[in-house]
Amino acid sequence: GAVVSQHPSWVICKSGTSVKIECRSLDFQATTMFWYRQFPKQSLMLMATSNEGSKATYEQGVEKDKFLINHASLTLSTLTVTSAHPEDSSFYICSARGPGLAGANEQYFGPGTRLTVT
Amino acid sequence: DAKTTQPTSMDCAEGRAANLPCNHSTISGNEYVYWYRQIHSQGPQYIIHGLKNNETNEMASLIITEDRKSSTLILPHATLRDTAVYYCIVRVAGGNQGGKLIFGQGTELSVKP
Repeated sequence: GAVVSQHPSWVICKSGTSVKIECRSLDFQATTMFWYRQFPKQSLMLMATSNEGSKATYEQGVEKDKFLINHASLTLSTLTVTSAHPEDSSFYICSARGPGLAGANEQYFGPGTRLTVT
Repeated sequence: DAKTTQPTSMDCAEGRAANLPCNHSTISGNEYVYWYRQIHSQGPQYIIHGLKNNETNEMASLIITEDRKSSTLILPHATLRDTAVYYCIVRVAGGNQGGKLIFGQGTELSVKP
């Protein structure tokens, strides 16, 4: 299957600082990327959808000024958590979809980034 | 997107078939059934998807009822590494304009020796 990578795999930051998470599609062009958040023992919650070269579309209740998403190329999307607080500690997972994938309908996920805000 | 209903948890003996049910009684005609699984602390892994015909790949089989209101994911010979949370999701497909994958609570499958 197609490969999606995330960097870093885990990060610890101090409250009030910003942290950037990268998501890359390694062997296909991702015209659409998605960002999810997952708290312990809960399911994945979709945060936003981004199309290459366009502004991201955020789900209801997700603060766009706090979670900045950039999808400047067909292989890279970034999520920046600004002024992070302990309640932002979570598992952040990106996902990518694009033309040319088998069946053209699958969506592939990265391994996730564990963010801990102290 | 239509909602799905899955049992919260299931057990399966190693080497036996694991049959995971999913109800999606409000599915629309243009919505596909997708299955993903998530092993602890990893990103979800695509398993299989289908519209109305039964599907099989190297990982699993997907059986969709004729009225499309329910489906079953079959892992033919479960191993300990199949222990994971399995998510059944319905969404509109169609290249880049396909719908979003919205995850429910899934079924926690425990494969026991």
